[in-house]
Amino acid sequence: KAGVTQTPRYLIKTRGQQVTLSCSPISGHRSVSWYQQTPGQGLQFLFEYFSETQRNKGNFPGRFSGRQFSNSRSEMNVSTLELGDSALYLCASSSGQGYNSPLHFGNGTRLTVT
Amino acid sequence: SQQGEEDPQALSIQEGENATMNCSYKTSINNLQWYRQNSGRGLVHLILIRSNEREKHSGRLRVTLDTSKKSSSLLITASRAADTASYFCATDQITGTGTALIFGKGTTLSVSS
Repeated sequence: KAGVTQTPRYLIKTRGQQVTLSCSPISGHRSVSWYQQTPGQGLQFLFEYFSETQRNKGNFPGRFSGRQFSNSRSEMNVSTLELGDSALYLCASSSGQGYNSPLHFGNGTRLTVT
Repeated sequence: SQQGEEDPQALSIQEGENATMNCSYKTSINNLQWYRQNSGRGLVHLILIRSNEREKHSGRLRVTLDTSKKSSSLLITASRAADTASYFCATDQITGTGTALIFGKGTTLSVSS
């Protein structure tokens, strides 16, 4: 089975711009979770989607949003980028609920905001 | 907010030695998971241990869970240079709108040959 695929691998954006990141989960997995990883804060939970519905959301401002499509692929969007949004964004899929099953991670999208 | 906290933050050992990492958490859990991350890449799931289990093994990995002390440990036996990575524990935690898997800040393991 193919693993979790995240695109693009690297992104450089300017403050104030917006960005969309894409995630294709493992075939058959209906749950997709997103995490932000920075050296200072570590791994922070963003949100989880299951069957096109947002099941859970972490403590991030409304500039961070996401969605899931009928084929379970997911996108996350960050609007009005700030320097502090520079991070590794990780997507993970699971066969069950995101907190009760092993998560399968992609290799992430490295976002740099200048 | 952080649920699990790993200890030590960094660990350096020689090939062949055992490595032990600890994780403490604050509230009751349904399960605890351990993950490995090689530099700049995604996390790899190692072991999931449920709250009613005390010990699990997978190859050279041994995980214990003590719910009375709210702690877990990950033991890697006969370490290899390829085990060099960051190791994270994660627990289920109620967040603002539901339950999510929350990660600690990790232990950085360096195995030298």
